Amino acid sequence: SQQGEEDPQALSIQEGENATMNCSYKTSINNLQWYRQNSGRGLVHLILIRSNEREKHSGRLRVTLDTSKKSSSLLITASRAADTASYFCATASGGSNYKLTFGKGTLLTVNP
Amino acid sequence: EAGVAQSPRYKIIEKRQSVAFWCNPISGHATLYWYQQILGQGPKLLIQFQNNGVVDDSQLPKDRFSAERLKGVDSTLKIQPAKLEDSAVYLCASSLQLGDTQYFGPGTRLTVL
Repeated sequence: SQQGEEDPQALSIQEGENATMNCSYKTSINNLQWYRQNSGRGLVHLILIRSNEREKHSGRLRVTLDTSKKSSSLLITASRAADTASYFCATASGGSNYKLTFGKGTLLTVNP
Repeated sequence: EAGVAQSPRYKIIEKRQSVAFWCNPISGHATLYWYQQILGQGPKLLIQFQNNGVVDDSQLPKDRFSAERLKGVDSTLKIQPAKLEDSAVYLCASSLQLGDTQYFGPGTRLTVL
């Protein structure tokens, strides 16, 4: 079953603009991760935010987590054509049975 | 550092046939995962191994799917017999230990006719 649900399903922006994607989930988590997938490089891990963190940065990426609302957002600043890809949030739960559950993804298109 | 290797990259079979996928994880990674990704959806975990033991296979359709990781390194995923709804990309991933960052292979695209 899918735990995370990304919003919007698709997003089209111009190069240089910022892109924001949201993720909502249903059950408690250990951490939440964002992945990027494109045909060239497959599925790549971008960033992880733990359940006790509220915000995290990595280069042009900014992730927020609101555990009270069970939601997260991924902001990509100053987007580039190379950022065109599908972005997935994945929630991690479980202790000894730790596993990732992925959402359906947001398809981001950055137009040059 | 070499990434996760998978083969074949593409496979076309007819329903009721059998198929097997192979995965070689990053050297030294104890945990190995198999995911199924249907077009338009996110990856769904099928099975995860810690060394050569199964940690979770709750979403593996055990009547037709099987997986093994002999010697705790390479792994194979088998479907027998295949159904039309098995058409998907099968992704293998590995991590140093359970809970660490997962690194994904390029996947095997399966088409069942």
